[in-house]
This record gives sequence, C-alpha cells and structure tokens, in this order.
Amino acid sequence: QSVLTQPPSVSAAPGQKVTISCSGSSSNIGNNYVSWYQQLPGTAPKLLIYENNKRPSGIPDRFSGSKSGTSATLGITGLQTGDEADYYCGTWDSSLRVFGGGTKLTVL
Amino acid sequence: EVQLVESGGGLVQPGGSLKLSCAASGFTFSGSAMHWVRQASGKGLEWVGRIRSKANSYATAYAASVKGRFTISRDDSKNTAYLQMNSLKTEDTAVYYCTRSPGGDMDVWGKGTTVTVSS
Repeated sequence: QSVLTQPPSVSAAPGQKVTISCSGSSSNIGNNYVSWYQQLPGTAPKLLIYENNKRPSGIPDRFSGSKSGTSATLGITGLQTGDEADYYCGTWDSSLRVFGGGTKLTVL
Repeated sequence: EVQLVESGGGLVQPGGSLKLSCAASGFTFSGSAMHWVRQASGKGLEWVGRIRSKANSYATAYAASVKGRFTISRDDSKNTAYLQMNSLKTEDTAVYYCTRSPGGDMDVWGKGTTVTVSS
C-alpha cells in the first residue's frame, strides 16, 4: 500500500495526450515538491519532472507537471510508442521519501 | 559524465548480511546527499534510506521496513556510498538502486544491483 495513490494503468493512441494523477495528503504532496520518474522496461528510473513542474535538461516539453493541493498530475502530449513505460510520482513525507505505486502507460 | 555504479549484490541466506557499494563519478560527491531505493520484481519503487553530506552532519534516515537492520554510510575520499544490510529477510529481495539528490530531487540513478535472499 503506497502513501501516494496512482492509477495502475492508463492508455492512449499515438499522438494523443494522457494524464497520470498522483494523490496524497497534507503531510506529503500538500507541503512538498513533487517529482515524476519514467522507468522504461528493464532500466533504472529517470527523472522527468522536479519541483512540481520543472523539466531537467534533455526532457522534451511534451512532458509537463502540475500540482494542486494534495494532488499532482503528469501530462504527456504527442504520445509516442517509446513513451511506453512505468511512471512514478515521488515526494517527501516527514523527511522520508515516498513514491506512488506506479502507473503503466500503454501506447495503443 | 555523471555516473553512479552499484556493486555487491548477490545471493544470501535469510538472516545473513550483505554490503552494497555505490561508486560515484563526474560530480562533487561530497556535496550531495545519497539515497538507496529498491524495487522487487514486478513491484514499485521503495525508498530505503539516505545519507546527507558532511555539511549536514552525515545525517541518515531510513524507511520503517529496514530501520535497525540497514545502515547507510559514505566515504567521501573514495566517492562511494554504502548500504550495509543485516538480518536479511526474503522480502528484501530486490534490485537496489543508488541515486543522488544534490538539491531535493533524485536526478541521477545507477543501473542497480540485484539482491536475492533465499535459502
């Protein structure tokens, strides 16, 4: 049982847009920055979004993040087959790092 | 190039011990907090713990599931972080990743090392 709640799976067609939600509480998302990670099959996680909505160098602007209250959302536009991966949200809770359970994105 | 390379994984019996290493290169290791994150096969990410920099007194913190059994340390002269795992349980079986957080986010991850706890 993860502290942060994500949908187990989402799917959309190539070229379309998808959003992935991450729900928490005032002790975590409500008072801390949210990060998003992409994990392609068989590889290590990769930072996609930090401080709610900032992209590290090299991450395309097709990926976006937002936060409102105790929830955060990852948006991906112009879906590509290469975006098929597991996506995790992460934040802090009483100085401990917590992650969502992960969302598997399928590009149909 | 910023790089983290984990090593030391393997097969260990329940109740046994194992020490993982994380060798860092390409950045100022001494200034960065270092974390360990694990992932059981087919499961999500689980934060194990972290160690802060010398400027932050090398403070450590651990997930409840490993507190009292695992210890994180670092040797800044060797640009290496460690995860000492004692009293291992079958549920500790996972890929263990090392990651850094120079600010607040885990921006670079190693490829991971596999730990299997089984008799």
